[in-house]
Amino acid sequence: DADVTQTPRNRITKTGKRIMLECSQTKGHDRMYWYRQDPGLGLRLIYYSFDVKDINKGEISDGYSVSRQAQAKFSLSLESAIPNQTALYFCATSDHSGGELFFGEGSRLTVL
Amino acid sequence: GEDVEQSLFLSVREGDSSVINCTYTDSSSTYLYWYKQEPGAGLQLLTYIFSNMDMKQDQRLTVLLNKRDKHLSLRIADTQTGDSAIYFCAAMNSGYSTLTFGKGTMLLVSP
Repeated sequence: DADVTQTPRNRITKTGKRIMLECSQTKGHDRMYWYRQDPGLGLRLIYYSFDVKDINKGEISDGYSVSRQAQAKFSLSLESAIPNQTALYFCATSDHSGGELFFGEGSRLTVL
Repeated sequence: GEDVEQSLFLSVREGDSSVINCTYTDSSSTYLYWYKQEPGAGLQLLTYIFSNMDMKQDQRLTVLLNKRDKHLSLRIADTQTGDSAIYFCAAMNSGYSTLTFGKGTMLLVSP
């Protein structure tokens, strides 16, 4: 089983719908991250959390929110999806050093 | 904030060496990383170098760091078709303890 699991792996939705992407990990790491990947733009950090009570905005947090329900779970929400949020979303975890990130397999979101 | 730049595409023949280059802007970056993304998968750490080192070798991989020019390179010796992937350079943001990634270099290895 994967150490970092994302659900759903693929989702097609319509503009204005609320979407939640979920991430769970069995690595025992405190730090969790949400990135989005767009062709030609690389990975950009949306939100990150260093502990259950800690939530921090990344470089592109507008239009997104997160919830850290437990050490092992970190979910990303799009309250009202728009087409330019069509992307591949990755959850990642790390230990306290923060350097080696362990990525999930990605959630491909299409907003029509 | 930190900006990490890398060329977008590199094509080589099997058996040749590949060199992927990266530049970064934050001179206080403590660690620099190379990640590999294979099709349909997440990223995996390949190797990293601490900012007080000039070179690190790990089997077929050689990382060179020119801290003065803020330039990082990854050399893959004897490149194989299985090395075809996207390679990301990343710098540790010492202020926020997060990584800033470059846009990724797609390496295509032809037989």
